Amino acid sequence: SQQGEEDPQALSIQEGENATMNCSYKTSINNLQWYRQNSGRGLVHLILIRSNEREKHSGRLRVTLDTSKKSSSLLITASRAADTASYFCATEFSGGYQKVTFGTGTKLQVIP
Amino acid sequence: EAGVAQSPRYKIIEKRQSVAFWCNPISGHATLYWYQQILGQGPKLLIQFQNNGVVDDSQLPKDRFSAERLKGVDSTLKIQPAKLEDSAVYLCASSPGLPETQYFGPGTRLLVL
Repeated sequence: SQQGEEDPQALSIQEGENATMNCSYKTSINNLQWYRQNSGRGLVHLILIRSNEREKHSGRLRVTLDTSKKSSSLLITASRAADTASYFCATEFSGGYQKVTFGTGTKLQVIP
Repeated sequence: EAGVAQSPRYKIIEKRQSVAFWCNPISGHATLYWYQQILGQGPKLLIQFQNNGVVDDSQLPKDRFSAERLKGVDSTLKIQPAKLEDSAVYLCASSPGLPETQYFGPGTRLLVL
């Protein structure tokens, strides 16, 4: 079963605009990660945020985590056509061994 | 540093045939994962190895799927016999230990006719 649910399922924006996608999950986590998948290619790790962190930045990426609401958001600022991809959140359950479960993904299209 | 290698990249088979996929993880990575990604969905973990041992295979359809990791390095995933619903991309990933950052291979796209 998929732990995370991304919202929206699809997003289309103009180049230069910001893109925000959200991830909600069901159980307590150790950390949450965001991955990008370009069409026909493998997944690339973007950023990891731990359960005791609230916000993290990496270049044009900003991730927030609200453990009380069991949700996270990924903000891509000043989007580029090259950001066109599917974005997945992946949650690592707390307790037991470290298991990572991927969400359903948000398909982002950046129009030049 | 070389990435995760997978082969073949594409495979087309008839239903009830068998197929095998190969994965070579990043050197030194203890943990290896096989995922199934159906079109339009997120990757679903099939099996996770820690060195030679299986950590999680709860979502592996064991009546038709099998996987092994020889000497804690390369791994093969086999489907026998294949069904139409097995059409998907099979992704291999590795991580140094904890699954905090997984490095993915390019995947094998399987079409079962």
